Amino acid sequence: NAGVTQTPKFQVLKTGQSMTLQCAQDMNHNSMYWYRQDPGMGLRLIYYSASEGTTDKGEVPNGYNVSRLNKREFSLRLESAAPSQTSVYFCASTGSGASINEKLFFGSGTQLSVL
Amino acid sequence: AQRVTQPEKLLSVFKGAPVELKCNYSYSGSPELFWYVQYSRQRLQLLLRHISRESIKGFTADLNKGETSFHLKKPFAQEEDSAMYYCALRGRGGADGLTFGKGTHLIIQP
Repeated sequence: NAGVTQTPKFQVLKTGQSMTLQCAQDMNHNSMYWYRQDPGMGLRLIYYSASEGTTDKGEVPNGYNVSRLNKREFSLRLESAAPSQTSVYFCASTGSGASINEKLFFGSGTQLSVL
Repeated sequence: AQRVTQPEKLLSVFKGAPVELKCNYSYSGSPELFWYVQYSRQRLQLLLRHISRESIKGFTADLNKGETSFHLKKPFAQEEDSAMYYCALRGRGGADGLTFGKGTHLIIQP
């Protein structure tokens, strides 16, 4: 039971480098999300995808792009990394997203440091 | 706009003492409230949700619409309760995800 799988678990980048964080879920969920977690700031939504083929901005989308490659996969791309993007990134998914009672399933996180 | 406020960044209590983690929310409609927990080196996971009115690991939370609060309580803290706790809200938007509070780090001292 893999659930939500994120890769890589750790990454160090230099300012200006680009990278893509991968996320896949095997629960046939429609909705997927990218959050960042910072000390004292909690979790903030970067982007989400309510269903395959759609993506929308969350609270802190600047500096990021996303792709909903198919129903299983939702990637997050940093085109030109900045030190302010040093954070722990979490991918999450939920069934249909239509019910407000559904819980989110989270990945184990990617710890990203931008020097 | 919806907002979740957890006023305590850190809460330290002794084993066996009662625990209350505070959560207040701001939302114009009738939201659904959740508590998520992150134990050391583990992924974030759902602890409980308002709609279920359940007790999980001895924790309960009651939605008080008058005070717009959803405080998490446990009568007798255990060392394994030490973790990061996040209160979260989902409004009628549904698929646009949860709004999280900033989290409270609960430390249970032996």
